[in-house]
Amino acid sequence: DARVTQTPRHKVTEMGQEVTMRCQPILGHNTVFWYRQTMMQGLELLAYFRNRAPLDDSGMPKDRFSAEMPDATLATLKIQPSEPRDSAVYFCASGLVSGANVLTFGAGSRLTVL
Amino acid sequence: AQSVTQPDIHITVSEGASLELRCNYSYGATPYLFWYVQSPGQGLQLLLKYFSGDTLVQGIKGFEAEFKRSQSSFNLRKPSVHWSDAAEYFCAVGDNYGQNFVFGPGTRLSVLP
Repeated sequence: DARVTQTPRHKVTEMGQEVTMRCQPILGHNTVFWYRQTMMQGLELLAYFRNRAPLDDSGMPKDRFSAEMPDATLATLKIQPSEPRDSAVYFCASGLVSGANVLTFGAGSRLTVL
Repeated sequence: AQSVTQPDIHITVSEGASLELRCNYSYGATPYLFWYVQSPGQGLQLLLKYFSGDTLVQGIKGFEAEFKRSQSSFNLRKPSVHWSDAAEYFCAVGDNYGQNFVFGPGTRLSVLP
């Protein structure tokens, strides 16, 4: 089965450090989503790419978060500097816009900022 | 703006009992509707989807959902729950451009032996 691959699966870091999470979408998919999941807020959309172009990043704190797709096989989410409130599970999902967008999710990156 | 509500935060059922998880949506156009399941420590897995046609859709693991436009609902059902169904269930609504994809808050299902 084709799958979305996320690395790292777990990351513990100290406040102020830079964190980079990576996502390999399913080959051929042209949309990529980044979500953050916490107990308090549930699933929050951070960013959305279509054909590698960012179409919506309104859910992302701009001062510290950045999302990019350097090529069609890699999406990155960077936090600099990280803060304890960034502790969450970050999910990447990819899909194909062809009538409807069914998302396939990665297993997530669990981030703990001390 | 589109939104999804799942009125039940947590539901507990006995193994073998029937299950219905509620989902209501608000959407200005024709909705594309989805149910996802998340097991502990895992990502979200698609259970089923509705795009058009028959309003009763079948999914994996014996789940089904019924789209009722008049009630803006897309409830998930299963006639007999198994212990392995214990998980978090998310309803979602999207459009055919893939941009406006919104998840509900989720319903946590516990299954008693």
